[in-house]
Formats: sequence, C-alpha cells, structure tokens
Amino acid sequence: GDSVTQMEGPVTLSEEAFLTINCTYTATGYPSLFWYVQYPGEGLQLLLKATKADDKGSNKGFEATYRKETTSFHLEKGSVQVSDSAVYFCALRLGSGNTGKLIFGQGTTLQVKP
Amino acid sequence: DAGVTQSPTHLIKTRGQQVTLRCSPKSGHDTVSWYQQALGQGPQFIFQYYEEEERQRGNFPDRFSGHQFPNYSSELNVNALLLGDSALYLCASSLFRGRATEAFFGQGTRLTVV
Repeated sequence: GDSVTQMEGPVTLSEEAFLTINCTYTATGYPSLFWYVQYPGEGLQLLLKATKADDKGSNKGFEATYRKETTSFHLEKGSVQVSDSAVYFCALRLGSGNTGKLIFGQGTTLQVKP
Repeated sequence: DAGVTQSPTHLIKTRGQQVTLRCSPKSGHDTVSWYQQALGQGPQFIFQYYEEEERQRGNFPDRFSGHQFPNYSSELNVNALLLGDSALYLCASSLFRGRATEAFFGQGTRLTVV
C-alpha cells in the first residue's frame, strides 16, 4: 500500500549546521508531497509542498525536491537555528483534489543546540 | 481568523467510556478530516466529512464515528474506549472545491484513557 518512510531520529545538530532529513515514499499514481512541522504542544503546520515531479518546495530556508525516479522528497536547510527544533513529518496525498487523505511518515525529531 | 479550533485541549477518560471531541474549521473551509496521532508516531487518517457526510474512511473500527453540522463544524465520537485509544486527535480543515488550498490543522485534543 501507499506509505512514507523517514529517517529515524533524533537528529542533533549545532546551530548553523546543514540539515538533511530523508524521506522516501511508495504510492500508486502520482502523489503530492508535503513536509509538516510540529512544535512541542502544537498541531501540524505545513512547511512546504510539491505537486509534481521535479518541483521544488521551499519556505523559511527549507527546501525539498520531488524526485520521481528515486521516489524521494528529502528536506534540507543550509543553516539551522535553535528555533527549528521540532518534529518534522513527510507526507503524501493521492489524487488531484484538495481533500485526499494525507499519509504521514513516523516523524523525525530535530534538536538544534546553540 | 481563528484558524482551526479544537476542544477540549485535554481530557482523561476511563476504559469503556465514550468521548466526544469537537472541531471548528478555518473560516471559509467546508471539509473536516480527523487524524489520530499516537505518541512518537505520525498521524493516521480516521475519516473525512463534507456536506455532512462521511466521504473517506481510514482503517479504524466502527467505535469511531463522526458528524458534521450545517456550519461545517464536526465531532468525533469514540465508544467503548480502550487504553490504545490514548493519543493526540487532530482535526484538519480544507476546501473541497475551487482554488487549491492545503489542509490546516488544529492544535489537537490529547485523550488519555486510564
């Protein structure tokens, strides 16, 4: 079935380090791909998205490119800050509409130390 | 704009009891989806409501039921609570048709079953 696999955490980095969180997916059809972030005690916030192959989503210094050939959507940031500490979820949505269900990975915890 | 609001924030129930969780969607949204997030896991899709009908359902037993009201708000009901139902329950709202929008999540209801 359709699924998302993320690298296990926690990922611990020093401030200003480069971040990569790996995400691969399995899906029938052509999914849209998302990264959500969850800060402690809060719900999910959409960080970025890509709706077709080779699209690059970006927001707040984070980037991810939809790679159909490797079924991947890795999250990157050139210089992390302490405020980026959170849990990051990769997700896919099938169908062309706005309302298909989201399928999430298990989440990757990022800890950034000063 | 208040965004997606959920109530209550936290609650504790005893095994076998029933619980009702509430969600008000973001202004202008007409579709509500519910997700269950167990500790340390990614959210799992429970079901989605549009036009007061259940449109999609995930792999959850019939103990989980829902309702959508004419003002688009929604309730999630869980009967015969089990310890394994302890989780963060997230509500997400979106727009069924029209210009592409993404799902907005509420902060969730933390349910503890003892």
